[in-house]
Amino acid sequence: AQSVAQPEDQVNVAEGNPLTVKCTYSVSGNPYLFWYVQYPNRGLQFLLKYITGDNLVKGSYGFEAEFNKSQTSFHLKKPSALVSDSALYFCAVRVPNYGGSQGNLIFGKGTKLSVKP
Amino acid sequence: DGGITQSPKYLFRKEGQNVTLSCEQNLNHDAMYWYRQDPGQGLRLIYYSQIVNDFQKGDIAEGYSVSREKKESFPLTVTSAQKNPTAFYLCASRLSNTGELFFGEGSRLTVL
Repeated sequence: AQSVAQPEDQVNVAEGNPLTVKCTYSVSGNPYLFWYVQYPNRGLQFLLKYITGDNLVKGSYGFEAEFNKSQTSFHLKKPSALVSDSALYFCAVRVPNYGGSQGNLIFGKGTKLSVKP
Repeated sequence: DGGITQSPKYLFRKEGQNVTLSCEQNLNHDAMYWYRQDPGQGLRLIYYSQIVNDFQKGDIAEGYSVSREKKESFPLTVTSAQKNPTAFYLCASRLSNTGELFFGEGSRLTVL
């Protein structure tokens, strides 16, 4: 079965330190991978995506993610965390023809990032 | 500006009542989606529509209904048959080539 896992429900980081939010996937074929961020009582905002090419993808707000095919991972990273980065982060994968349709996304359960001053 | 508009932002309903959540997009996207979000459960797909006048059930369609009469609009009705309707509902549309989703700001439904 196709799936996305975010193994940590919560990640705590001190401001100024590097952060990593983990994501692994289990799909057949070549996936498209996405990260989204959600602030309280708001919709999801797109951060970055991997389609093909360079395994290191740079996105909004200084975030980046590295696609690792052998480990089936797509971890989100930032060199220096800000208090304003505190939010809920979702990893998602697009699998062609999932559910009989073209391009539905499968979402992880989300990781709450807390950055303390 | 282009985007997705959901309304109302907050909605209260008595048990046994149907309620309709609005979702409008001006991004000219063909595909639209409805998700339900509950704490600790991530996003669960309720219904999706790839094109006007067509829609498909997602993973948790029971107790919900949709229509897609116009490309811009994809309203969701939460019926009295939905056993636990209190949740945050998110509408999205999809950019065709990469599959990237664009989300509205959500509607929070509370059943009293």
